[in-house]
Amino acid sequence: DVKVTQSSRYLVKRTGEKVFLECVQDMDHENMFWYRQDPGLGLRLIYFSYDVKMKEKGDIPEGYSVSREKKERFSLILESASTNQTSMYLCASPPPGARSNSPLHFGNGTRLTVT
Amino acid sequence: AQSVTQPDIHITVSEGASLELRCNYSYGATPYLFWYVQSPGQGLQLLLKYFSGDTLVQGIKGFEAEFKRSQSSFNLRKPSVHWSDAAEYFCAVGHDTGRRALTFGSGTRLQVQP
Repeated sequence: DVKVTQSSRYLVKRTGEKVFLECVQDMDHENMFWYRQDPGLGLRLIYFSYDVKMKEKGDIPEGYSVSREKKERFSLILESASTNQTSMYLCASPPPGARSNSPLHFGNGTRLTVT
Repeated sequence: AQSVTQPDIHITVSEGASLELRCNYSYGATPYLFWYVQSPGQGLQLLLKYFSGDTLVQGIKGFEAEFKRSQSSFNLRKPSVHWSDAAEYFCAVGHDTGRRALTFGSGTRLQVQP
């Protein structure tokens, strides 16, 4: 069974800190995605990657960057955390060859609080 | 750009009653459509999907959805709701290319009354 693992379930950081959110998938998937989930807004795409060292901006990339040095790991970076980045962050990956990138296999999420 | 609208933020139904969750999409070509469910404290799980063919699709847990091109809709239905169906439901639209991500709606939270 596909496994997408996010290293932290809860994080509390201070304004201005650099924050790393890690995501690992164990099935040699090519595509990986970072979403943030906020009440009333659903899931919004921050960044995605379709191969090692390849990345594309999603709908809300401002204030974020990503890194994909190895196929199994996709990191989301908050260069200087701000309170409006307090949110649930979800990493997701579809199986190789998945039509329209679905089903997406989601990690359990990282709830980030920026104080 | 594609978009998904779920007009109902919150719905409450009685256990055993029928359910319909609305979803409208905007997309320039034939859409690929999905419903995901997120139970409390759980990750998102795919309920069902539509790519082409029969416009009425069956999913897991007794759910079904109907694609209506003329109305740009993909509403989710269940004839008899169970208490365990209480969750948040997300409609999503996808592309037919391998590099694009799904676009999700804002979600509908379902409460089930005993």
